[in-house]
Amino acid sequence: DTEVTQTPKHLVMGMTNKKSLKCEQHMGHRAMYWYKQKAKKPPELMFVYSYEKLSINESVPSRFSPECPNSSLLNLHLHALQPEDSALYLCASSFVARTSDTQYFGPGTRLTVL
Amino acid sequence: DAKTTQPPSMDCAEGRAANLPCNHSTISGNEYVYWYRQIHSQGPQYIIHGLKNNETNEMASLIITEDRKSSTLILPHATLRDTAVYYCIGYQGNSGYSTLTFGKGTMLLVSP
Repeated sequence: DTEVTQTPKHLVMGMTNKKSLKCEQHMGHRAMYWYKQKAKKPPELMFVYSYEKLSINESVPSRFSPECPNSSLLNLHLHALQPEDSALYLCASSFVARTSDTQYFGPGTRLTVL
Repeated sequence: DAKTTQPPSMDCAEGRAANLPCNHSTISGNEYVYWYRQIHSQGPQYIIHGLKNNETNEMASLIITEDRKSSTLILPHATLRDTAVYYCIGYQGNSGYSTLTFGKGTMLLVSP
């Protein structure tokens, strides 16, 4: 089973709202990732967690706050977002963060900020 | 960073082989070449990867040139469901961790 699940599938929020995206995997993977994909663009890496520790933050604004409460779960907390943050947010996981470890992606959460 | 270059779009007739090229002339010796595809508005789907040798799985074949400067993804019998954006990626190190950097990819359109 190579399934990564993401909830919700769609989210609409105002600029003053606080919301969270959730990602879950039960493959025993110890590396988890958040990517952002704008319309007609390729996915861009936001964060990498390795063994539940934040390992890479690609200069993402603080209105995006990741959290990895355990090895199976990854959250992305959203606060005071801007309309330009509207995008498809993708979660991925891999066994560990090595070049030989395949990343498996979830279906994504389509976020719209009004 | 291993930059990859792919044609922006390709067409293929249903039932024929689709051969998708990728140039990665700056790839280093320990970087794997990964292929993913993304069907409209879905998450990227892993297809295949390789280091030096040609690889085959139930989805596709990957042919890597001996100098590793280019590769070709082969879908042996394309179907309409193979219409997607195909990404060739050099899987590289970033502060000691390996991260995927997606390029623009190739939009493959499979027609009846």
